[in-house]
Amino acid sequence: RKEVEQDPGPFNVPEGATVAFNCTYSNSASQSFFWYRQDCRKEPKLLMSVYSSGNEDGRFTAQLNRASQYISLLIRDSKLSDSATYLCVVKPLTGTASKLTFGTGTRLQVTL
Amino acid sequence: GAGVSQSPRYKVAKRGQDVALRCDPISGHVSLFWYQQALGQGPEFLTYFQNEAQLDKSGLPSDRFFAERPEGSVSTLKIQRTQQEDSAVYLCASSSWDEYEQYFGPGTRLTVT
Repeated sequence: RKEVEQDPGPFNVPEGATVAFNCTYSNSASQSFFWYRQDCRKEPKLLMSVYSSGNEDGRFTAQLNRASQYISLLIRDSKLSDSATYLCVVKPLTGTASKLTFGTGTRLQVTL
Repeated sequence: GAGVSQSPRYKVAKRGQDVALRCDPISGHVSLFWYQQALGQGPEFLTYFQNEAQLDKSGLPSDRFFAERPEGSVSTLKIQRTQQEDSAVYLCASSSWDEYEQYFGPGTRLTVT
């Protein structure tokens, strides 16, 4: 079983729609959680961190449920420019604290 | 300022050849990471340096993979006797002392024929 699991999609949604991505992780000792965005043939870039209290950045809302080991990302009012792969990322507590563990990514395609 | 740079951007190697991939981290970043991203997958950790010290190489898939960062800045990932399964994008990332965010380079796309 992979440490971080995501539905690979693709999610095809019309512009203006609300879309939600989910992710589960298996290491209960994981320390930090992130969503990264990766455009086609480009490098991953940090979208936002994820906190237990939930956090929002414009149209993006991230949520963490430590008890269920579940992370979510909600995108409201989707734009064409949101089309990308969204990578769920965890940072482990033990060993190399800084190593990032990525999910396979969820591909989003926003259409007119 | 300048971000993480990697060279070459693309590399085609015949099976059995040795390759060397270079990473120039953001100036002043003490931490440097290498990841391997196969097609349709997320990046997977290979190895980690803090300055010139290689603190974790647990992700290197075999002893054909070797990484170094002799002066604590530029790093080289070397793959000996390349195999087809080594075909992937090799991403380098660096971060500052607080290690909050890792900044990724554009990657080197390696194709082994």
